[in-house]
Amino acid sequence: AQSVAQPEDQVNVAEGNPLTVKCTYSVSGNPYLFWYVQYPNRGLQFLLKYITGDNLVKGSYGFEAEFNKSQTSFHLKKPSALVSDSALYFCAVRDSRMDSSYKLIFGSGTRLLVRP
Amino acid sequence: DTGVSQDPRHKITKRGQNVTFRCDPISEHNRLYWYRQTLGQGPEFLTYFQNEAQLEKSRLLSDRFSAERPKGSFSTLEIQRTEQGDSAMYLCASSLVTPSTYEQYFGPGTRLTVT
Repeated sequence: AQSVAQPEDQVNVAEGNPLTVKCTYSVSGNPYLFWYVQYPNRGLQFLLKYITGDNLVKGSYGFEAEFNKSQTSFHLKKPSALVSDSALYFCAVRDSRMDSSYKLIFGSGTRLLVRP
Repeated sequence: DTGVSQDPRHKITKRGQNVTFRCDPISEHNRLYWYRQTLGQGPEFLTYFQNEAQLEKSRLLSDRFSAERPKGSFSTLEIQRTEQGDSAMYLCASSLVTPSTYEQYFGPGTRLTVT
């Protein structure tokens, strides 16, 4: 069965410092991995994805994520955090096999709080 | 690009009433998905359509829930005989199936409160 774990309910970081939001996954085949961000009373906004190729993927607003197959992880990173990055972040996975479902499996979310 | 839209944004209903939500996907997107999100949790998959065909339904989608996508454009999600446990945010997403696109784009959601 597919699953996603986000081990931290909340991550606190000072503005200007680097941030990391952790995600580990489990799928039977190769994974398609995604990060989404959710602001209050809003839907999910797509940040970035890993499909294949380079393990370091870059996305919107200066975010990047590193795919590590041996550790089954896909951690979200940003070199310098902004107060406006404060939001709820979700990691999601989909199995890449042709006969697998197209649904996304989401983690429980990590709240990022960037203090001025 | 107008994005995915959902209507209404908020719905308060009494237990036992029926409710219907509408989702308009990004034009030319051929896949449409429904998810449910409860407080403190990530979205959970309910069902998805490719064009007008409903191709997968979650076990979460009890017989009180029904979804349609007539003509492969907008979609509706109906909940009959609502229960307090149905209170949640209902999210719609759409995607375009190409060799290079895999992400789903989400609407703002419909927040349902069952009293």
